[in-house]
Amino acid sequence: GQSLEQPSEVTAVEGAIVQINCTYQTSGFYGLSWYQQHDGGAPTFLSYNALDGLEETGRFSSFLSRSDSYGYLLLQELQMKDSASYFCALRSYNTDKLIFGTGTRLQVFP
Amino acid sequence: SAVISQKPSRDICQRGTSLTIQCQVDSQVTMMFWYRQQPGQSLTLIATANQGSEATYESGFVIDKFPISRPNLTFSTLTVSNMSPEDSSIYLCSVTTSGAKHSGELFFGEGSRLTVL
Repeated sequence: GQSLEQPSEVTAVEGAIVQINCTYQTSGFYGLSWYQQHDGGAPTFLSYNALDGLEETGRFSSFLSRSDSYGYLLLQELQMKDSASYFCALRSYNTDKLIFGTGTRLQVFP
Repeated sequence: SAVISQKPSRDICQRGTSLTIQCQVDSQVTMMFWYRQQPGQSLTLIATANQGSEATYESGFVIDKFPISRPNLTFSTLTVSNMSPEDSSIYLCSVTTSGAKHSGELFFGEGSRLTVL
């Protein structure tokens, strides 16, 4: 089967940089996605890595290393509005379904 | 992108009853999925809704408990049958579109928050 593990909670202060890790176990997959979910809201797509390396989208960057079965989401210049839950997710070749990680709750303090 | 309308947005239900959740998308989509998210937890895939045929269920979910319909490309329903307090969750409809930028991108409805007493 597939599994994606994340730290349950991360805290940081405004303006800081935080990294949310995702380790996974799976056979071949298309790529690693990241989603943000505010309390009471729907998950929204943030980033996607089809290939190894770093993808940058504004203040958010995402990294993938297939050889290490590992990825991370990097959030820079943290703002209070970044307080939310973050999920990594992957879509495997043989199931074609998106499976989500355990999720990380980020709390940003003033 | 896709705009997804889900209803009801929330409901309080009595044990033993059933509730049907509707999901309407504003454009034709390639795939539709139903997820469950228990309080403070991650998203768990219930099933893939297949147009005009039986849904494909994940391990731990069965058609008798979660019957799903998808009569066309833009509409699906999920019924939670014979509810118990353990069914209290947020149920999320999600879709992929042919125009989605990446294969890893899903669009989600706002969810249906069910509380079973």
